Amino acid sequence: DIVLTQSPATLSLSPGERATLSCRASQSIYIYLAWYQQRPGQSPRLLIYDASNRAPGIPARFSGSGSGTDFTLTISSLEPEDFAVYYCQQRSDWPPGSFGQGTKVESK
Amino acid sequence: EVQEVESGGGLIQPGGSLRLSCPMSGFTANSNYMSWVRQAPGKGLEWVSVLYSGGSTYYADSVNGRFTIYRDNSKNRLFLQMDNLRVDDTAVYYCARGQLRWEGYFDNWGQGTLVTVSS
Repeated sequence: DIVLTQSPATLSLSPGERATLSCRASQSIYIYLAWYQQRPGQSPRLLIYDASNRAPGIPARFSGSGSGTDFTLTISSLEPEDFAVYYCQQRSDWPPGSFGQGTKVESK
Repeated sequence: EVQEVESGGGLIQPGGSLRLSCPMSGFTANSNYMSWVRQAPGKGLEWVSVLYSGGSTYYADSVNGRFTIYRDNSKNRLFLQMDNLRVDDTAVYYCARGQLRWEGYFDNWGQGTLVTVSS
Protein backbone atom coordinates (compact mmCIF):
# COMPACT_ATOMS: atom_id res chain seq x y z
CA ASP A 1 0.00 0.00 0.00
CA ILE A 2 1.13 3.54 -0.76
CA VAL A 3 1.45 5.70 2.35
CA LEU A 4 1.21 9.48 2.16
CA THR A 5 2.91 11.49 4.90
CA GLN A 6 1.97 15.14 5.29
CA SER A 7 4.04 17.76 7.06
CA PRO A 8 3.86 19.71 9.18
CA ALA A 9 0.93 18.45 11.21
CA THR A 10 0.02 22.04 12.10
CA LEU A 11 1.03 25.29 10.46
CA SER A 12 0.47 28.52 12.42
CA LEU A 13 0.37 31.56 10.17
CA SER A 14 -1.25 34.97 9.89
CA PRO A 15 -3.59 36.19 7.15
CA GLY A 16 -1.60 37.41 4.18
CA GLU A 17 1.29 35.01 4.80
CA ARG A 18 2.39 32.26 2.45
CA ALA A 19 1.59 28.66 3.38
CA THR A 20 3.66 25.74 2.13
CA LEU A 21 2.34 22.23 2.81
CA SER A 22 4.17 19.02 1.99
CA CYS A 23 3.02 15.53 1.05
CA ARG A 24 5.48 12.67 0.60
CA ALA A 25 4.59 9.29 -0.91
CA SER A 26 6.18 6.00 0.12
CA GLN A 27 6.83 5.22 -3.56
CA SER A 28 6.51 7.05 -6.84
CA ILE A 29 2.98 8.12 -7.68
CA TYR A 30 4.03 10.08 -10.79
CA ILE A 31 1.75 13.15 -10.79
CA TYR A 32 -1.32 11.35 -9.44
CA LEU A 33 -1.90 13.51 -6.40
CA ALA A 34 -4.79 15.71 -5.34
CA TRP A 35 -5.25 18.22 -2.55
CA TYR A 36 -8.47 18.82 -0.62
CA GLN A 37 -9.51 21.51 1.83
CA GLN A 38 -11.82 20.75 4.74
CA ARG A 39 -13.12 23.68 6.75
CA PRO A 40 -14.48 23.00 10.25
CA GLY A 41 -17.84 21.25 10.08
CA GLN A 42 -17.78 21.05 6.29
CA SER A 43 -17.18 18.41 3.66
CA PRO A 44 -13.86 18.22 1.84
CA ARG A 45 -13.42 20.28 -1.33
CA LEU A 46 -11.15 19.35 -4.23
CA LEU A 47 -8.52 22.06 -4.80
CA ILE A 48 -5.83 20.53 -7.00
CA TYR A 49 -5.76 17.39 -9.14
CA ASP A 50 -2.86 15.61 -10.81
CA ALA A 51 -0.34 17.58 -8.75
CA SER A 52 -0.71 21.00 -10.33
CA ASN A 53 -4.14 21.48 -11.90
CA ARG A 54 -6.60 23.71 -10.08
CA ALA A 55 -10.13 22.32 -9.90
CA PRO A 56 -12.90 24.51 -11.37
CA GLY A 57 -13.67 27.55 -9.23
CA ILE A 58 -10.53 27.34 -7.09
CA PRO A 59 -8.76 30.69 -6.59
CA ALA A 60 -5.37 31.26 -8.19
CA ARG A 61 -3.69 31.69 -4.79
CA PHE A 62 -3.76 27.90 -4.51
CA SER A 63 -1.05 26.11 -6.46
CA GLY A 64 0.38 22.62 -6.48
CA SER A 65 3.69 21.21 -7.60
CA GLY A 66 5.75 18.07 -7.50
CA SER A 67 6.07 14.64 -9.02
CA GLY A 68 7.32 11.22 -8.04
CA THR A 69 7.30 11.15 -4.26
CA ASP A 70 7.40 14.81 -3.16
CA PHE A 71 4.55 17.27 -3.55
CA THR A 72 3.74 20.75 -2.32
CA LEU A 73 0.59 22.80 -1.93
CA THR A 74 1.21 26.53 -1.75
CA ILE A 75 -1.27 29.17 -0.68
CA SER A 76 0.33 32.41 -1.80
CA SER A 77 -1.45 34.75 0.60
CA LEU A 78 -3.73 33.35 3.26
CA GLU A 79 -7.29 34.58 3.38
CA PRO A 80 -9.39 34.14 6.56
CA GLU A 81 -11.39 31.35 4.90
CA ASP A 82 -8.23 29.37 4.12
CA PHE A 83 -7.69 28.33 7.75
CA ALA A 84 -8.68 24.69 7.51
CA VAL A 85 -7.32 21.15 7.29
CA TYR A 86 -5.71 20.10 4.02
CA TYR A 87 -5.45 16.51 2.82
CA CYS A 88 -3.46 15.02 -0.02
CA GLN A 89 -4.73 11.94 -1.84
CA GLN A 90 -3.07 9.66 -4.39
CA ARG A 91 -4.77 7.72 -7.18
CA SER A 92 -1.75 5.84 -8.50
CA ASP A 93 -3.09 2.53 -7.17
CA TRP A 94 -6.80 3.38 -7.38
CA PRO A 95 -8.76 1.71 -6.08
CA PRO A 96 -8.09 2.09 -3.20
CA GLY A 97 -5.85 5.10 -3.45
CA SER A 98 -5.03 6.66 -0.09
CA PHE A 99 -5.17 9.92 1.84
CA GLY A 100 -2.56 11.65 3.94
CA GLN A 101 -3.27 12.33 7.60
CA GLY A 102 -3.83 16.05 7.05
CA THR A 103 -2.18 19.38 7.81
CA LYS A 104 -4.06 21.93 9.87
CA VAL A 105 -3.47 25.56 8.91
CA GLU A 106 -4.37 27.64 11.91
CA SER A 107 -4.38 31.35 12.60
CA LYS A 108 -1.44 32.58 14.65
CA GLU B 1 -22.92 22.41 -7.77
CA VAL B 2 -25.81 20.84 -5.93
CA GLN B 3 -24.53 19.16 -2.80
CA GLU B 4 -25.49 15.59 -2.15
CA VAL B 5 -27.48 15.00 1.03
CA GLU B 6 -26.86 11.68 2.66
CA SER B 7 -29.31 9.98 4.99
CA GLY B 8 -29.59 6.82 7.01
CA GLY B 9 -27.01 7.39 9.71
CA GLY B 10 -27.63 6.88 13.39
CA LEU B 11 -26.72 4.91 16.50
CA ILE B 12 -26.45 1.16 16.05
CA GLN B 13 -25.15 -1.67 18.19
CA PRO B 14 -22.13 -3.73 17.16
CA GLY B 15 -23.19 -6.47 14.77
CA GLY B 16 -26.13 -4.45 13.50
CA SER B 17 -26.95 -3.14 10.02
CA LEU B 18 -27.63 0.25 8.49
CA ARG B 19 -28.31 1.48 5.00
CA LEU B 20 -27.08 4.86 3.87
CA SER B 21 -28.38 6.66 0.81
CA CYS B 22 -27.70 9.77 -1.20
CA PRO B 23 -29.14 11.29 -4.37
CA MET B 24 -26.94 10.95 -7.44
CA SER B 25 -27.35 14.58 -8.48
CA GLY B 26 -25.34 15.62 -11.49
CA PHE B 27 -24.24 12.06 -12.18
CA THR B 28 -23.57 11.21 -15.82
CA ALA B 29 -22.95 7.55 -16.58
CA ASN B 30 -20.18 8.13 -19.11
CA SER B 31 -18.41 10.77 -17.04
CA ASN B 32 -18.73 9.87 -13.39
CA TYR B 33 -18.46 7.24 -10.70
CA MET B 34 -19.75 7.33 -7.13
CA SER B 35 -17.98 6.50 -3.90
CA TRP B 36 -18.39 6.48 -0.15
CA VAL B 37 -15.63 8.01 1.93
CA ARG B 38 -15.65 8.06 5.72
CA GLN B 39 -14.05 10.08 8.47
CA ALA B 40 -13.81 8.82 12.03
CA PRO B 41 -14.30 11.50 14.70
CA GLY B 42 -11.28 13.81 14.75
CA LYS B 43 -9.47 11.67 12.18
CA GLY B 44 -8.58 11.77 8.50
CA LEU B 45 -10.36 10.55 5.39
CA GLU B 46 -10.71 6.89 4.40
CA TRP B 47 -12.10 5.67 1.08
CA VAL B 48 -14.73 2.94 1.58
CA SER B 49 -16.22 1.87 -1.73
CA VAL B 50 -16.77 2.82 -5.40
CA LEU B 51 -19.46 2.03 -7.95
CA TYR B 52 -18.98 2.52 -11.66
CA SER B 53 -21.87 3.01 -14.06
CA GLY B 54 -21.14 -0.35 -15.68
CA GLY B 55 -21.75 -2.03 -12.35
CA SER B 56 -18.19 -2.66 -11.19
CA THR B 57 -17.69 -2.24 -7.46
CA TYR B 58 -14.63 -2.15 -5.23
CA TYR B 59 -14.21 -2.01 -1.47
CA ALA B 60 -11.58 -1.12 1.07
CA ASP B 61 -10.17 -4.20 2.79
CA SER B 62 -11.58 -2.97 6.10
CA VAL B 63 -15.18 -3.28 4.87
CA ASN B 64 -14.96 -5.94 2.17
CA GLY B 65 -17.53 -8.65 2.76
CA ARG B 66 -19.57 -6.50 5.17
CA PHE B 67 -20.56 -3.47 3.07
CA THR B 68 -22.36 -3.38 -0.28
CA ILE B 69 -22.57 -0.39 -2.59
CA TYR B 70 -25.39 -0.23 -5.15
CA ARG B 71 -27.69 2.16 -6.92
CA ASP B 72 -31.39 2.34 -7.60
CA ASN B 73 -31.73 3.74 -11.11
CA SER B 74 -35.46 4.33 -10.75
CA LYS B 75 -34.83 6.60 -7.77
CA ASN B 76 -31.44 7.89 -8.94
CA ARG B 77 -30.00 7.15 -5.52
CA LEU B 78 -26.77 5.57 -4.29
CA PHE B 79 -26.83 3.24 -1.32
CA LEU B 80 -24.36 1.70 1.11
CA GLN B 81 -25.65 -1.37 2.91
CA MET B 82 -23.55 -1.85 6.03
CA ASP B 83 -23.79 -5.19 7.83
CA ASN B 84 -22.01 -6.66 10.84
CA LEU B 85 -21.03 -3.19 11.95
CA ARG B 86 -18.08 -2.77 14.29
CA VAL B 87 -17.15 -0.02 16.74
CA ASP B 88 -14.35 1.10 14.41
CA ASP B 89 -16.90 1.76 11.65
CA THR B 90 -18.01 4.82 13.63
CA ALA B 91 -17.54 7.79 11.30
CA VAL B 92 -19.16 10.45 9.19
CA TYR B 93 -19.90 8.84 5.84
CA TYR B 94 -19.71 11.02 2.75
CA CYS B 95 -21.20 10.29 -0.63
CA ALA B 96 -18.70 11.57 -3.21
CA ARG B 97 -18.73 11.84 -6.99
CA GLY B 98 -15.68 11.42 -9.17
CA GLN B 99 -14.78 12.28 -12.73
CA LEU B 100 -13.57 9.49 -14.99
CA ARG B 101 -11.01 11.86 -16.55
CA TRP B 102 -9.35 12.16 -13.11
CA GLU B 103 -10.25 8.67 -11.98
CA GLY B 104 -9.65 8.26 -8.26
CA TYR B 105 -10.40 11.80 -7.10
CA PHE B 106 -13.67 13.23 -5.80
CA ASP B 107 -14.99 16.56 -7.07
CA ASN B 108 -18.39 16.72 -5.39
CA TRP B 109 -19.06 15.70 -1.80
CA GLY B 110 -22.20 15.36 0.26
CA GLN B 111 -22.70 16.86 3.68
CA GLY B 112 -22.12 13.53 5.37
CA THR B 113 -24.14 11.37 7.73
CA LEU B 114 -22.88 10.21 11.12
CA VAL B 115 -22.85 6.51 11.92
CA THR B 116 -22.17 5.63 15.55
CA VAL B 117 -21.58 1.98 16.43
CA SER B 118 -21.76 1.50 20.16
CA SER B 119 -23.33 -0.75 22.76
